[in-house]
Amino acid sequence: AQSVTQLDSQVPVFEEAPVELRCNYSSSVSVYLFWYVQYPNQGLQLLLKYLSGSTLVESINGFEAEFNKSQTSFHLRKPSVHISDTAEYFCAVSSSASKIIFGSGTRLSIRP
Amino acid sequence: NAGVTQTPKFRILKIGQSMTLQCTQDMNHNYMYWYRQDPGMGLKLIYYSVGAGITDKGEVPNGYNVSRSTTEDFPLRLELAAPSQTSVYFCASSYTGQGGTEAFFGQGTRLTVV
Repeated sequence: AQSVTQLDSQVPVFEEAPVELRCNYSSSVSVYLFWYVQYPNQGLQLLLKYLSGSTLVESINGFEAEFNKSQTSFHLRKPSVHISDTAEYFCAVSSSASKIIFGSGTRLSIRP
Repeated sequence: NAGVTQTPKFRILKIGQSMTLQCTQDMNHNYMYWYRQDPGMGLKLIYYSVGAGITDKGEVPNGYNVSRSTTEDFPLRLELAAPSQTSVYFCASSYTGQGGTEAFFGQGTRLTVV
């Protein structure tokens, strides 16, 4: 069975500081990995995804995540955050033969 | 493309009433899901379906029922609504197979049981 763990339930950072949101997964088969973002009072939007190929994937708003098979991780990073990045972030894992499983979420709060 | 369409967007129910949340997707996805999200909390899987005619329980199925008669539709039925079912409900779909996709979400249904 697959599982995904988001190690931090809340991450407070100052504006323009770097941030890393951690995500680890367990699976016995090849995986697909995703990060979703949920802004206050909105639904979930896909931020970025790893299906195959390059292990480093990027979003249009400056986030990136790297698939690390040996460490079974898919951490999300941004070198400089903005107030508008305040949101909840969900990591998710699936495979070619299983449903998508979501982590418990990390609330990113940005301080001016 | 419409993607995943959920109706209604808002609903207030009285205790003991029943209702059906509708969900339709037009992407020919095999998997469909229903989640609930309580304030300040993550997603909890209620039910999911791997294809027409096949459904399975998630983490919190009690008080809900689903059916999947077609690939496109995955309605969620609440029988005998209770205050504990006050939540935001999200429907989602995905393609699981070689070259799988992410989950696509509907806009959510905010349900209040009074």
